[in-house]
Order: sequence, then structure tokens, then C-alpha cells
Amino acid sequence: QKEVEQDPGPLSVPEGAIVSLNCTYSNSAFQYFMWYRQYSRKGPELLMYTYSSGNKEDGRFTAQVDKSSKYISLFIRDSQPSDSATYLCALTNGGYNKLIFGAGTRLAVHP
Amino acid sequence: ETGVTQTPRHLVMGMTNKKSLKCEQHLGHNAMYWYKQSAKKPLELMFVYNFKEQTENNSVPSRFSPECPNSSHLFLHLHTLQPEDSALYLCASSQEGDLYEQYFGPGTRLTVT
Repeated sequence: QKEVEQDPGPLSVPEGAIVSLNCTYSNSAFQYFMWYRQYSRKGPELLMYTYSSGNKEDGRFTAQVDKSSKYISLFIRDSQPSDSATYLCALTNGGYNKLIFGAGTRLAVHP
Repeated sequence: ETGVTQTPRHLVMGMTNKKSLKCEQHLGHNAMYWYKQSAKKPLELMFVYNFKEQTENNSVPSRFSPECPNSSHLFLHLHTLQPEDSALYLCASSQEGDLYEQYFGPGTRLTVT
């Protein structure tokens, strides 16, 4: 079983839609949950991170962690064509433990 | 320059060549990382340096040789690579102890012919 599972997509939505991106994981020791956005021909860019369970909101983006279900989500409200990118989840125990990345979900927001 | 820079952005090399990838971070961080990103696969951590000391080598073949002369610069020396080594090589940095907040460079697209 992979440590992190992420649907590769592609996910195609109309502009203005609410987007839900998800990852599931198997290691209950993960404490930090990150979302990165990667545009074509660019490196990943940290969007937000959450420690332990709960929600975190930043503008149009909301990260949600459900540790009991080992399930994390990123919601994008009022999606824009500029949100078209690959979204990577990443998890870690913290400390000196490495980040474990999902394979990424490709999102296309069309006008 | 700001953030994390990488050179070259694109590299084509034969299997017998020797080349080096360079990374520089302008964020005042003290931990640096090399990752490999292949199509449709998760990022694979290759090496970690904390305060210039290598703290992780993720079972990487010896044809990849990292070098970290100071906390701002990181190199990846390449020799006798294989076609399956073709990938995007990403450098990242963070504050030591805050590895969950890593900042990535744009990557070097490597093609081995």
C-alpha cells in the first residue's frame, strides 16, 4: 500500500466552480499536512500547511485534515483559470522526517 | 535574485558525459534538498543537507554525487547516467527543523540520451 494516494486527474471544471482535491494516507503518525501548487515548467510552490487535525483557510483556499479517516482535502472557491496547475499533497511526521508526496492532481479551470 | 534558483534550466547529456547541476538559495535557510520528479510519480527525495552536512541519502545510485560547500549553495554532479535518469531535478530549501515549509527552485529538466 502506498503511503499517500492522490488521484492524478485530470480534473476539468468551469470558472467559478468549487474544486475539491484530496489525498488519503496510511501512516497515522503524520502530523503536518501540506499542499503545493506546481505550474507547468515550474517548481512546486507551498500553498499552505496544517498541523494535526482541523481546517485552515487562506483566501479562496481551505485545507482540511481528518486524521480519523486519514484523509486530507484542499478546497478552492470561485476557481479561476490561473488556478490551473498540478496540486501536490505532502505529509510528514515532523522533526527530521522527510516529506512524503502524493503524485499530484492536474486541475484545469476553463473560462 | 530571490528565492531558490537553479541552473541550467535544461540539460541534454549523453550517457558518458559528466555535468553538474547548481542550486542557490537566497532565503537564509540552512537546509537544502535534492528531489527527482518523474512523470506521473511522486517527488522522490534524493539528498538532504543540514548546515552543510549530508543527513540523508535516499539510496541514490553513486552516479549522482551531491556537494554542499555552504548553506546557500548545492550541487549535483552527474556522471555515466542512464536514460531512466531523465527527469526534472528540483532543489529546495528550508529552515533546519521546519522541513514542512520547503521552498523549491524551478528545476532542471534533464534528458539523458
